[in-house]
Amino acid sequence: GENVEQHPSTLSVQEGDSAVIKCTYSDSASNYFPWYKQELGKRPQLIIDIRSNVGEKKDQRIAVTLNKTAKHFSLHITETQPEDSAVYFCAANRNEKLTFGTGTRLTIIP
Amino acid sequence: DTAVSQTPKYLVTQMGNDKSIKCEQNLGHDTMYWYKQDSKKFLKIMFSYNNKELIINETVPNRFSPKSPDKAHLNLHINSLELGDSAVYFCASSRGLLNYEQYFGPGTRLTVT
Repeated sequence: GENVEQHPSTLSVQEGDSAVIKCTYSDSASNYFPWYKQELGKRPQLIIDIRSNVGEKKDQRIAVTLNKTAKHFSLHITETQPEDSAVYFCAANRNEKLTFGTGTRLTIIP
Repeated sequence: DTAVSQTPKYLVTQMGNDKSIKCEQNLGHDTMYWYKQDSKKFLKIMFSYNNKELIINETVPNRFSPKSPDKAHLNLHINSLELGDSAVYFCASSRGLLNYEQYFGPGTRLTVT
């Protein structure tokens, strides 16, 4: 089955700086890669996703890049703000099943 | 308007008991899921249903039995609860099985004592 690794497990950045979270996946047939944000005590919510026919996607301060050859994808958050503090999960979809990474706890330091 | 709702929000019970968690979505989606999030925050799929048909049944003990009476509802019944079942259980729904955003419910925190 699919295996998704996510790094780092914790990340602290100064407000206004950029944050990068990286994921690798094992199954080259995976074709959909969403990122979810989970605030403390809340439900996971989709923030951005990318399909395997695209190399990069951007939505305001958030961008995702995908390297299919290397089987890794990354989340980039620019100009970080205190409300970006949360746990972020990457995921890979293969055969109708979404496999999540282990999560990154992002803390924005004011 | 609540898109995906779950009841109850909290569930505290003793080992050996049987309990149920209910989930409803009003998004008109065809696919629903159950996920388990343990104390380390790992999110793992348990089951998925598409048009009331079971699609994914991960290696979950058969003490866990999902039931989908219709496309808008997916309930989870757990028999003979064990300490290791303590976790947050999330229901989710999506338009279909392939490559669609999943909308999560608020979660049910189950504590087994």
